[in-house]
Order: sequence, then structure tokens, then C-alpha cells
Amino acid sequence: NAGVTQTPKFQVLKTGQSMTLQCAQDMNHEYMSWYRQDPGMGLRLIHYSVGAGITDQGEVPNGYNVSRSTTEDFPLRLLSAAPSQTSVYFCASRLGASGIDGELFFGEGSRLTVL
Amino acid sequence: SQKIEQNSEALNIQEGKTATLTCNYTNYSPAYLQWYRQDPGRGPVFLLLIRENEKEKRKERLKVTFDTTLKQSLFHITASQPADSATYLCALTGGFKTIFGAGTRLFVKA
Repeated sequence: NAGVTQTPKFQVLKTGQSMTLQCAQDMNHEYMSWYRQDPGMGLRLIHYSVGAGITDQGEVPNGYNVSRSTTEDFPLRLLSAAPSQTSVYFCASRLGASGIDGELFFGEGSRLTVL
Repeated sequence: SQKIEQNSEALNIQEGKTATLTCNYTNYSPAYLQWYRQDPGRGPVFLLLIRENEKEKRKERLKVTFDTTLKQSLFHITASQPADSATYLCALTGGFKTIFGAGTRLFVKA
């Protein structure tokens, strides 16, 4: 089982460039989410989705867009990258949207540097 | 605002001893609390989940307690081993959102 797959693993961008971080899961999970992890600050929720066509904002949504056209995929878009978006990004999924099934499955992360 | 606090200082213990990590939270009424392990350069991996109406949960050498009055969880690793060295993250879930603490680094010395 692949679980949660993130691409790319590493990316360097220049300020103002746009890019998409890809996330795919093969577990038929309803819930998917994106976090960023910065030193000393832990994981912060960017956006989440409770099913295809349904997304909502987390703690730090500014500068990021998401969409959920299929159950499997949940891409994260940076429209105009800024140095403050330099971080490690994690995609995570959960079986149920309601939170009853609590365990989150994480990808291996995408390390983004914005110059 | 909601806040989760974990000991930011690393915890150093001797092999065979019990490691105890603390998670405190404020301004939150979670449905359940989880603990994750994270190794350098890897994504977090789920360890244990405890619900608001549970006091204690065990899994092999791991034990979690949850006190909703004190707003605190304790995470214990008994008979610790060098392979237990990692960062341990506390997470709270309420509704659709799960928020994380910054984690505590554990070093187990042989």
C-alpha cells in the first residue's frame, strides 16, 4: 500500500513564482488536510477537505489554495510564493470526515524553499 | 486562542527507564487526544488515541493519560530503548480540525 504520497519531495522557488504540491492517497479516505511545519512551531493546519468538492480553511490559509475534485487527490497551490512560505509541508488523511476515526496518516513531506 | 504546550526542552533518559512527556492545552475542548512519533526527515506516525471520556490507554510499552479537568495528557514509554529516540507530538481533535503541539525530543542513551 502506498498510503499518502506527496510530490515533489524538494522544491526551490523564487519569490513570486507559483507551484502546486501534489498529494494522493489510495486508502479511500474521506478527510484530507495540509499542514506546514516550522522549527519550534509544530504542525499548523493550512486547509482541509471532508470530501470531494468540499474544502475549508485551517489556522494559516493565507497564500494557499486547495481543491478536491476526486477522493484521492488534494493539491495545494501557492499562487505567488513568498520567503515566509519556506517550510516543510505535510499532507495527511483520515478515514472519516467526522473525526470519529481519529488516526491521521501522513505523507513524507515536501520541503519548499522560497528565495 | 487554542494552544497546546509541550516541553520544548529535550528529554534525556537512560535506557531501561520510563520516559514521561507532558502535553498541556488551553481554550479547547477536544473530542480526543492523540500522540504521534516523528523521526528526522519523516512524516509523523500515529501511536495512541484517547477519548475525552477515557482516563488511560495502553499499548505495549506505551501509556497515555488524559485529564480534561487539568487539561493535560501524560505520555509514558516504559523500559525505554535507544530506538525510542524521536520527537513526540501531542495532537487534539475537535470537529474537523486537529491541532498539534510543537513536540518534545526524546533521547534514550544506551
